[in-house]
Amino acid sequence: QVELVESGGGVVRPGGSLRLSCETSGFTFSRFAMHWVRQAPGKGLEWVAVTSFDGSNTYYADSVQGRFAISRDNSKNILYLQMNSVRAEDTAVYYCARYDSPPAGSRGLDSWGQGTLVTVSS
Amino acid sequence: DIVVTQSPESLAVSLGERATINCKSSQSVLLGSTNKDYLAWYQQKPGQPPRLLIFWASTRAPGVPDRFSGSGSGTDFTLTITSLQAEDVAVYYCQEYYNVPFTFGPGTKVHL
Repeated sequence: QVELVESGGGVVRPGGSLRLSCETSGFTFSRFAMHWVRQAPGKGLEWVAVTSFDGSNTYYADSVQGRFAISRDNSKNILYLQMNSVRAEDTAVYYCARYDSPPAGSRGLDSWGQGTLVTVSS
Repeated sequence: DIVVTQSPESLAVSLGERATINCKSSQSVLLGSTNKDYLAWYQQKPGQPPRLLIFWASTRAPGVPDRFSGSGSGTDFTLTITSLQAEDVAVYYCQEYYNVPFTFGPGTKVHL
């Protein structure tokens, strides 16, 4: 079955860096666009970034543009989120999610990981 | 960017009763080339990741009970839960995936 497992979260100081990973299995990773979505404690969902199936196209929320970088390794079936110059407001659970987009039309984020918590604090 | 709003913020429903959640986007999410609305609904229970319930505004994802239904087109959408079960207590989010950023609504908490 489809499985997504995030890792790499933890406590990081403001201005610091962190790299999140999302290991996937159970599907052909290289055929799917992948997203990162975050959720601050007690708050709603915030879309963060997306990468196309081959990594050639990436898009970011304004709140992370220029500080975060999404990438993927299709040989290892792993999605990444490099977080630089982090701020207190980046504190959140970060989820990776698969984007189902068959020829008939995209179907949204159909599989999610359990999330990894990033806490930005001095 | 598309702005997505939801109402109400919170909804108290008795077991077996109907729950109705509204979602509105600031511009149409109907993709002309596919004639499908790029609007999804997700359910999130405490301590769990979101779960896709509905895509294309009205198509249930695999394994979703038929008491969940979505309707609407263009800019106005509704999620209906007929005959609420205890396990349906959760926060529900709509999301447009017509354009990046794929904006989520603020969520609606459904409780007993």
